Order: sequence, then structure tokens, then C-alpha cells
Amino acid sequence: DAGITQSPRHKVTETGTPVTLRCHQTENHRYMYWYRQDPGHGLRLIHYSYGVKDTDKGEVSDGYSVSRSKTEDFLLTLESATSSQTSVYFCAIRHTAGTAAETQYFGPGTRLLVL
Amino acid sequence: SQQGEEDPQALSIQEGENATMNCSYKTSINNLQWYRQNSGRGLVHLILIRSNEREKHSGRLRVTLDTSKKSSSLLITASRAADTASYFCATDALPGANNLFFGTGTRLTVIP
Repeated sequence: DAGITQSPRHKVTETGTPVTLRCHQTENHRYMYWYRQDPGHGLRLIHYSYGVKDTDKGEVSDGYSVSRSKTEDFLLTLESATSSQTSVYFCAIRHTAGTAAETQYFGPGTRLLVL
Repeated sequence: SQQGEEDPQALSIQEGENATMNCSYKTSINNLQWYRQNSGRGLVHLILIRSNEREKHSGRLRVTLDTSKKSSSLLITASRAADTASYFCATDALPGANNLFFGTGTRLTVIP
């Protein structure tokens, strides 16, 4: 499972409140990703990181920010949660060497409900 | 968007039968990957096929790629109840890309 954990695993919050999701990895991978998964849309990339303090936007970045102050942690923040951000959020890492260099390994997911 | 689309959206078969699911994508790619997702879990990588390959095998999995048609297929032979899951294709752009674009998935149900 590439040593990826996500916290919390489930969260219920109210519209307008800030929410931070954490992704933690134990294997020192350079690339980390945040996706959201919604019925009919598959997985869509929110933000990704290619190193400490190096991040870039994905396909659906509006309303989200990220931070990576340490190699092992990649944080996703919803500054003011909206009901449209109800989703399942997945973190992933990518190896950067060897035969697995182009595959991604996923965490268990965080189920977020915004009321 | 480069996002792929899987076909069919859902597939139900009897144990022992073969399952075929298809993926179409929109732009040139470096490689195409297939992932599996069990209910309530994260995605797990199954197989990767490069743009210069036409067919690849891994155990009971067979993947084909037709870059002229921008399509791929995943065949699972002699299906088992444990193969019940959603299957996604994912593509990247040309070399140097950092991101994958996932399709919408095929939900496979294998009936014991």
C-alpha cells in the first residue's frame, strides 16, 4: 500500500467551515496527488506536489488549496466548504524510479459530507 | 479534457466467463494504465501498456491498445467472484507529464 494513510477517514461538516485533510506517506516519495471521486466523473485531479513547497493545480482546483512543508505530508484545505465539495477524496503517490515510475499508489480515501 | 471513457458503464457476468471492458481517450498518450477499485477502497494498479505496445498480458489480464483509434480494452479471463470491482483506465500526456487522467470506470459484477 506504499505506506499511505489519510486522516480523517470520514468527516461531516457544515457549509462555510474550513476543512483540512491530511495525507501521510512513509516512503519518501517526491510526487503526491489529491483527487476527488464523484459518481459519473471518475477521479479528477485537484492539486499535486512535486516536492516540498512545490505544488501545482489540477483539473478541479477551484475552492481548494494545498501545502507541503514536509516530504511525508500533503495537506488539502477547503477554505470554506460548500455542498458541491461533498465527495470522496483520495491521496496518491508516484514512484519516480524503476519499472513502477509511472504508476500511482492510492490511500484509502476520506469520505467528506458537507451539509 | 483528456479524460477517458469506459464502456460499458456496468457489466454483469457469471463466474468463469470472460469480461471485456473498453476505454477511449482523446489525445496522444505516453502510456495507458488500468486500475481496479474495490468498494470503499482506493485504486490499485493492474497493468501498464506503453504507446508503442499493442498487447500485454499479466496473469488472467490481457490489455490491448490501438493508438490509431485512441482506444484500449481490458480482458479478464475465467472471472471469479473476487474480480467484482470497478475498473478504470488512466492515461498520461506525452513524456514528461506528471499527471494521470482517469476514465469514469466500468462496474464489473461477477455472479458466483
